[in-house]
Amino acid sequence: DAKTTQPTSMDCAEGRAANLPCNHSTISGNEYVYWYRQIHSQGPQYIIHGLKNNETNEMASLIITEDRKSSTLILPHATLRDTAVYYCIVRLRSYNTDKLIFGTGTRLQVFP
Amino acid sequence: DGGITQSPKYLFRKEGQNVTLSCEQNLNHDAMYWYRQDPGQGLRLIYYSQIVNDFQKGDIAEGYSVSREKKESFPLTVTSAQKNPTAFYLCASSWAGLPGQPQHFGDGTRLSIL
Repeated sequence: DAKTTQPTSMDCAEGRAANLPCNHSTISGNEYVYWYRQIHSQGPQYIIHGLKNNETNEMASLIITEDRKSSTLILPHATLRDTAVYYCIVRLRSYNTDKLIFGTGTRLQVFP
Repeated sequence: DGGITQSPKYLFRKEGQNVTLSCEQNLNHDAMYWYRQDPGQGLRLIYYSQIVNDFQKGDIAEGYSVSREKKESFPLTVTSAQKNPTAFYLCASSWAGLPGQPQHFGDGTRLSIL
């Protein structure tokens, strides 16, 4: 019951910007969008999150469309160590639940 | 170093045996979570706890049990009732009550059946 849609895989040249899209057309007004990445056999690593405004931190930038139905994660200068599966997630919170709804993510391959 | 520690990294279970996976955090987070990940899939929520001595079932709680006796600890027991326990188990924690606070994950425990 994932609420997000991402491409299965993407390639990016080392040193170039990696732009990872995500659709979340059913997102509610108070739901945040989170991005995590997972390298094989490790736990997911938190990257960034946002509600309405664009966000930037030391790892990445998050661009959220005005209607909030889609977003893009930007890795400004991809390195080989950025090769991972990237998950775009909407957090479902109600009176009796609090969970991150994971889809299958985008496998990003950074090549030399 | 602040973080979430899961142990052991690898665990093997015999048929009919209960096993317990450890999760400890020193981030002073209120909420803790257990997820299961199967190959090539995203994570699914097993149990979560917002405060000490309280926890709620997630989507796939059958065959699992948890306890939350201390704020920093949230062990998961995989019981013999869980017929397909082979998976990668991930523990997470976050601040509770504050909107938008992200969950942070440990490095997981990989459980296999002998």
